Amino acid sequence: GAGVSQSPRYKVAKRGQDVALRCDPISGHVSLFWYQQALGQGPEFLTYFQNEAQLDKSGLPSDRFFAERPEGSVSTLKIQRTQQEDSAVYLCASGLPSVESGTGELFFGEGSRLTVL
Amino acid sequence: GENVEQHPSTLSVQEGDSAVIKCTYSDSASNYFPWYKQELGKRPQLIIDIRSNVGEKKDQRIAVTLNKTAKHFSLHITETQPEDSAVYFCAAGYGNNRLAFGKGNQVVVIP
Repeated sequence: GAGVSQSPRYKVAKRGQDVALRCDPISGHVSLFWYQQALGQGPEFLTYFQNEAQLDKSGLPSDRFFAERPEGSVSTLKIQRTQQEDSAVYLCASGLPSVESGTGELFFGEGSRLTVL
Repeated sequence: GENVEQHPSTLSVQEGDSAVIKCTYSDSASNYFPWYKQELGKRPQLIIDIRSNVGEKKDQRIAVTLNKTAKHFSLHITETQPEDSAVYFCAAGYGNNRLAFGKGNQVVVIP
């Protein structure tokens, strides 16, 4: 498909388990973002990649969260020792920087809904 | 960092009326201001955006205005239709696509 693809769409984990969430961005998109969206809230920035380089990880809430994009395409967000407060939808978005201003449209995936019991 | 606030949190309008949502931002360096629409259980989708070198942009029934001095921008939806019912998020950012989102506005269009 032509859009951003995320898997799994739904994940239920027991507290303390590790989870891995995958994002396939739109082909050729340089920028890749991970956002966390709690119920009834707006997306909160987690981390940003430009190609394979993780340029900003200031939004990761703890050292239990780790993201990688080793070949500059597919990205994985890993959460270790999950806690109940990690329950949220994790959105991946990709885009191309704008020549005009450095910022451009982000294309979001459907998200991975994580529920930690 | 950038802080974006949206008002009101919920807005109900009669079908055919106009809806206006206002956002404020804190970082004067922000130069890109998109609006995203998110239907229940769906992905956020861009509906309109504006850059800091213009004050207003319109696309059919949707328009966005930007006041850089006051650091606020607004979304205007005219002739609202039931399919406009959704959560609308504003965002602000600069450089490298990093965007800060507001908490969202639930718009309900009453038939």
